[in-house]
Amino acid sequence: EADIYQTPRYLVIGTGKKITLECSQTMGHDKMYWYQQDPGMELHLIHYSYGVNSTEKGDLSSESTVSRIRTEHFPLTLESARPSHTSQYLCASSEYRAGGPKETQYFGPGTRLLVL
Amino acid sequence: GQNIDQPTEMTATEGAIVQINCTYQTSGFNGLFWYQQHAGEAPTFLSYNVLDGLEEKGRFSSFLSRSKGYSYLLLKELQMKDSASYLCAVIKDSNYQLIWGAGTKLIIKP
Repeated sequence: EADIYQTPRYLVIGTGKKITLECSQTMGHDKMYWYQQDPGMELHLIHYSYGVNSTEKGDLSSESTVSRIRTEHFPLTLESARPSHTSQYLCASSEYRAGGPKETQYFGPGTRLLVL
Repeated sequence: GQNIDQPTEMTATEGAIVQINCTYQTSGFNGLFWYQQHAGEAPTFLSYNVLDGLEEKGRFSSFLSRSKGYSYLLLKELQMKDSASYLCAVIKDSNYQLIWGAGTKLIIKP
């Protein structure tokens, strides 16, 4: 079954640690995205990718990096976690369709990060 | 600037009809999405409008007026499971990036 996966679902970590949030999709989509969302707030785009070896920064300034070595995999890395990074991180993917909804984004279940 | 406005919270009764409005001001427009997001979960796709008019899908309908920068999501025959946040998002350019509203939290009462 085609889907999008994120691990870990929950993470509690100390300040200064390096962490990598994993995202994988089995739908063969070219585009992938990372969003940050605080409770009751809008989604903020932090990184996106058009395909393999393509990565772009989104609207939200972030001390994170991403890589896209394989179509299905789009990990997000925080080199040094801080309490201000506490949030929910959502990964999504999409594919252009000539007919119907253009670039509908499908989301993974999210990673809730708490930095102490 | 670019922004999307939605009411923060709405309350409705089970079995009734509710309309959730969304107004947008963006530098470009390539379509508008509505997503549903239950508490603690990821958003799921509900509807898409790119031309003016009403799109109906079961109990949910979505309307768009591009000249007014306005859309609404209409939910009929409300069920308790419809309690969720409803997010309006606009495709702002040919790169198909989305600008997201903060969402409207819909509370359904028996």
